Amino acid sequence: EVQLVETGGGLVRPGSSLKLSCATSGFTFSNTWMNWVRQAPGKGLEWVALIKDKYSNYEANYAESVKGRFTISRDDSKSRVYLQMNTLRDQDTATYYCTRTIDFDYWGQGVMVTVSS
Amino acid sequence: DVVMTQTPPSLSVAIGQSVSISCKSSQSLVYSDGKTYLHWLLQSSGRSPKRLIYQVSNLDSGVPDRFSGTGSQKDFTLKISRVEAKDLGVYYCAQTTHFPLTFGSGTKLEIK
Repeated sequence: EVQLVETGGGLVRPGSSLKLSCATSGFTFSNTWMNWVRQAPGKGLEWVALIKDKYSNYEANYAESVKGRFTISRDDSKSRVYLQMNTLRDQDTATYYCTRTIDFDYWGQGVMVTVSS
Repeated sequence: DVVMTQTPPSLSVAIGQSVSISCKSSQSLVYSDGKTYLHWLLQSSGRSPKRLIYQVSNLDSGVPDRFSGTGSQKDFTLKISRVEAKDLGVYYCAQTTHFPLTFGSGTKLEIK
């Protein structure tokens, strides 16, 4: 059974940093592309970042709204994907979902990030 | 960016009726491999999104065949036949042909 479990959310001040983690199981992580997608309270879905596998040199792609502030990474030995979020803004407040493959076939339960002073 | 225009924003339907949701993209979603990466997801209240259909018309495992997807190029439709109470929630289309990946704004399905 595919499982994606996000952790690391919380309440932080604007300008601060936070690192989200997504633990995965039930599939071969090392050859799977992974995404982060977010959803602001009461709003729709917004793709944040994608990281490809080693066969694609771990290439990463980002939404313009987070480029230069967020970094997606992965640890194939731990079957985990991460999202390092720096210089957080109020507008980054959202539930962050870890999703599998470029086609969003499986989703985690999400983790809430609140950026507020 | 590819803009995904989803209509209607909301629908109210009686149990047993059929509904259709439209999703139009600002660019063709046909990738260089000839496939079309347009997907449909459902987010039930308080839950994570769940993919229902991938690449226009392929049902995910466990999704009842009351759901069907059609379309090509820039114009896509999700049809739900014989709506059941468990179908309520917000439906999103998503394209993964072009970066940045983008979603429609959602269609909220309510049961009369």
